[in-house]
Amino acid sequence: KAGVTQTPRYLIKTRGQQVTLSCSPISGHRSVSWYQQTPGQGLQFLFEYFSETQRNKGNFPGRFSGRQFSNSRSEMNVSTLELGDSALYLCASSLGNFGTEAFFGQGTRLTVV
Amino acid sequence: ELKVEQNPLFLSMQEGKNYTIYCNYSTTSDRLYWYRQDPGKSLESLFVLLSNGAVKQEGRLMASLDTKARLSTLHITAAVHDLSATYFCAVDIGNNYQLIWGAGTKLIIKP
Repeated sequence: KAGVTQTPRYLIKTRGQQVTLSCSPISGHRSVSWYQQTPGQGLQFLFEYFSETQRNKGNFPGRFSGRQFSNSRSEMNVSTLELGDSALYLCASSLGNFGTEAFFGQGTRLTVV
Repeated sequence: ELKVEQNPLFLSMQEGKNYTIYCNYSTTSDRLYWYRQDPGKSLESLFVLLSNGAVKQEGRLMASLDTKARLSTLHITAAVHDLSATYFCAVDIGNNYQLIWGAGTKLIIKP
């Protein structure tokens, strides 16, 4: 059974640019959630999608957005990149039901210079 | 403010010893997760605790949840080097994986 796939694994961008990250969940999983991990702030929830609908959003500026496609693949976009956006971005895949386990991808390491 | 506090944040111990990691949280929730992260790697699910009094065990690790005290513990029995990693607890405050994370406990187990 294939795991959660995130692409790309590494990315270097310049301040002011925008970036799109992709997450392919485990087959059959309809929920994808996104997290940002930094040494200073730790792990922080960005948003969660289920069947193409955003169900929850964390406390991040509007520069951070996402979407989910009919095949459950999800993308997140960050516009007008800032140095502080440098982080490991993780997505998690689950069935989306109460209390089910979430499986994480390997993450995308974004560096903003 | 919603908080999830883990302690200790760093733990160095000898193989064969027992120890406990504590996770306190400030909001009402009956869904708590434990994850493991190895350096440079992603998060691996260890336990899903869904009710007061829940206890789960896997190998040398045992996790429990006391929702009244808003406390979860991760107990390590007879530690081995392979358990060296960072352990995170996370509390689900919504219905859909809106997880609030602890800062993580970096565990080093020396041979």
